Amino acid sequence: RKEVEQDPGPFNVPEGATVAFNCTYSNSASQSFFWYRQDCRKEPKLLMSVYSSGNEDGRFTAQLNRASQYISLLIRDSKLSDSATYLCVVKEHPNTDKLIFGTGTRLQVFP
Amino acid sequence: DVKVTQSSRYLVKRTGEKVFLECVQDMDHENMFWYRQDPGLGLRLIYFSYDVKMKEKGDIPEGYSVSREKKERFSLILESASTNQTSMYLCASSLYGTSLSSQYFGPGTRLTVT
Repeated sequence: RKEVEQDPGPFNVPEGATVAFNCTYSNSASQSFFWYRQDCRKEPKLLMSVYSSGNEDGRFTAQLNRASQYISLLIRDSKLSDSATYLCVVKEHPNTDKLIFGTGTRLQVFP
Repeated sequence: DVKVTQSSRYLVKRTGEKVFLECVQDMDHENMFWYRQDPGLGLRLIYFSYDVKMKEKGDIPEGYSVSREKKERFSLILESASTNQTSMYLCASSLYGTSLSSQYFGPGTRLTVT
């Protein structure tokens, strides 16, 4: 079983749609959680950290469910510029700064 | 803004050559990482370093070595390049020891070994 699993997609949605991605992680002791965004042929960039109580940044909402070991990302009012691959990222141990990356979910927003 | 730079965006090498990939960060981060990214496999950690002259193996260290002589610079070395090392190589850096410390990536080096 992969440590961090994501549906690879692609998710093809029209502009203005709401889309949600889920991610599951295998290590129940995982400490910290992030969503990164990666544009085609570019490096990954931090989109947002995921807090236990859930958090929102503009059109983006991240949720964490520790009991079920999954993380979600909700994007409202999708824009063409949201087209990218979204990587779910987990920090497993408090004594290491290593991150475990999911393989990503590809989103394509069309006009 | 954190800046992580990598010495080359594209590199073509022959099988058996020794290859050096350089990474420099300007934010005084303690941690530095080398990953490779392949379609369908995602980012895989090759080596990381949390201090000068310190290094730890990641998930796929075979065929690679690293060097960290200065805090801002982390080098990845392919001792004898092979075609299965054709990949996108990404360097990253982060602060040491904070739970919400995220990693900042360089633009990547696309290496082709022929």
